[in-house]
Amino acid sequence: QVTLKESGPVLVKPTETLTLTCTVSGFSLSNARMGVSWIRQPPGKALEWLAHIFSNDEKSYSTSLKSRLTISKDTSKSQVVLTMTNMDPVDTATYYCARILGQWDYEVYILYYYMDVWGKGTTVTVSS
Amino acid sequence: SSELTQDPAVSVALGQTVRITCQGDSLRSYYASWYQQKPGQAPVLVIYGKNNRPSGIPDRFSGSSSGNTASLTITGAQAEDEADYYCNSRDSSGNLGVFGTGTKVTVL
Repeated sequence: QVTLKESGPVLVKPTETLTLTCTVSGFSLSNARMGVSWIRQPPGKALEWLAHIFSNDEKSYSTSLKSRLTISKDTSKSQVVLTMTNMDPVDTATYYCARILGQWDYEVYILYYYMDVWGKGTTVTVSS
Repeated sequence: SSELTQDPAVSVALGQTVRITCQGDSLRSYYASWYQQKPGQAPVLVIYGKNNRPSGIPDRFSGSSSGNTASLTITGAQAEDEADYYCNSRDSSGNLGVFGTGTKVTVL
């Protein structure tokens, strides 16, 4: 059974750095065409993709947040870590991690991706 | 602002059919995946690829695409389908990871 679990602080102060950990089980972070995404959702608002990392260590970041984000993985610990610097109250949100799978559609020869399993999320409040 | 646009809200009578759309230039080249989110819960994948349902997702959920628009159709909507629905695909540069603006589905 594939599971992902987010962990990190509940409360951070403005200007501090947030560190979140996603611990996965039921699959390996070294599996081909697999990865982990981080997504957040401010209260009452839409989902926002933040970053992802694949088994080959390929990384990608949201254009608007790229300067503040770092994603990394520790395959031996089955963990993916996201850091976000210079936190602000607008960063108050529920933060989710999700497994990304890549799959070929050989009819049209496209490699497509989707997030098949999500963690329950962790709520982070930014306040002094 | 999101590069994938969805109608903010739609309603459907119990047992009827509703189609939720997602528009964006990247959808001309890439598939969308669809996620259902109920209040206080994490999103759940309902459709991926051309029109694939994960195990456990009822067959009343289906996906399609035409031009710059991807669609999620619920045929015979049930009360438990009341939720927010989000599409996800690539941005206009082909990078992974953009969500649609979300559609709230109300079952009357």
